[in-house]
Amino acid sequence: DTAVSQTPKYLVTQMGNDKSIKCEQNLGHDTMYWYKQDSKKFLKIMFSYNNKELIINETVPNRFSPKSPDKAHLNLHINSLELGDSAVYFCASSSQGSSEAFFGQGTRLTVV
Amino acid sequence: EDKVVQSPLSLVVHEGDTVTLNCSYEVTNFRSLLWYKQEKKAPTFLFMLTSSGIEKKSGRLSSILDKKELFSILNITATQTGDSAIYLCAVSRNSGAGSYQLTFGKGTKLSVIP
Repeated sequence: DTAVSQTPKYLVTQMGNDKSIKCEQNLGHDTMYWYKQDSKKFLKIMFSYNNKELIINETVPNRFSPKSPDKAHLNLHINSLELGDSAVYFCASSSQGSSEAFFGQGTRLTVV
Repeated sequence: EDKVVQSPLSLVVHEGDTVTLNCSYEVTNFRSLLWYKQEKKAPTFLFMLTSSGIEKKSGRLSSILDKKELFSILNITATQTGDSAIYLCAVSRNSGAGSYQLTFGKGTKLSVIP
């Protein structure tokens, strides 16, 4: 069973569209994250979220919004996609009080 | 702002060589330092270090943390072609409500040639 799974694995879309990436974890973790990895392979935190609090990296445009229907899911919704949003987006999770994050396989988003 | 600097950015070695990857950091509310290996897809966890001077070892890989000098090294002995990957160093800090954000370095791309 995949611990942290994301769908879709690949997403190609036009500028201006709205899209969502889904993430689910079956590890029973309390905290989930979204990271963005750019073309130079630099991984950067976008959001961290648990039942109590959403923490947003202030550099993330407000076109990006995480939505969590329950503890096991944290979806990423992106409005008005731009060319610069092209990247690989990784979902991750960790247990309460632990630094160790488990990553999903990534979603490669290409905006054309 | 938290900062993690890895060196070298890329490295090419022959099978059997020993390599040392470096990671220095500046972070407020430091919790731990983690090493990940990224091949084609997801970063996979290697080590988490929280205490200075205690070496962690897994097969041919080992790592140690120096909290006074704010750096860590990752050693790989007797390298194999399967070790070719990007090695990511990350530091975690408490970001509130039981969550820990990781700040990553830019990675070291290791290529092991036969």
